[in-house]
Amino acid sequence: GESVGLHLPTLSVQEGDNSIINCAYSNSASDYFIWYKQESGKGPQFIIDIRSNMDKRQGQRVTVLLNKTVKHLSLQIAATQPGDSAVYFCAEGRTSGSARQLTFGSGTQLTVLP
Amino acid sequence: KAGVTQTPRYLIKTRGQQVTLSCSPISGHRSVSWYQQTPGQGLQFLFEYFSETQRNKGNFPGRFSGRQFSNSRSEMNVSTLELGDSALYLCASSLHSNQPQHFGDGTRLSIL
Repeated sequence: GESVGLHLPTLSVQEGDNSIINCAYSNSASDYFIWYKQESGKGPQFIIDIRSNMDKRQGQRVTVLLNKTVKHLSLQIAATQPGDSAVYFCAEGRTSGSARQLTFGSGTQLTVLP
Repeated sequence: KAGVTQTPRYLIKTRGQQVTLSCSPISGHRSVSWYQQTPGQGLQFLFEYFSETQRNKGNFPGRFSGRQFSNSRSEMNVSTLELGDSALYLCASSLHSNQPQHFGDGTRLSIL
């Protein structure tokens, strides 16, 4: 049968406002988390990562918060700009020996309104 | 520094054929991972190579295979193509497995 496309959660924000994109992860053994941004026709672009021994990490205009108690991850984008419009993916990883495998969420479509 | 380069960008094949996709990682990166991205399943891990050895494999049939060369360049091969193999195939490289992965722009494979 025909496959059904993923229904991406969507988030629309006014230009200049702050954006918060949320992600729930499933594996309590995950020790590494990462956010990617994917624009149309391009591959995912690394934004920021965080290890499980931290609960907050800041980058340029972005902050990632990790709540291991409820297995929740969020990405905050300050002063959202039109160029931030994209699909945002969170991924969780578990380090096994020297290898790490990432499992990606389904993504959130962020639209920045003028 | 040049990013991850994937060739070709677009490819059209028919059922039953086989295909080889190529990935050149960022210079100095030794870990290369492959992912399949489809609207129905999202981003799914195929396999990871490090120093020419496959270290991790996702839940895909044996028709999907890969290899890595001594210069860290990697190829993936899909044999006996099926309609459901139509997807964007993404390659990502990292310095080591425990470093952030950086993606190429993918190869869009269409099966007719």
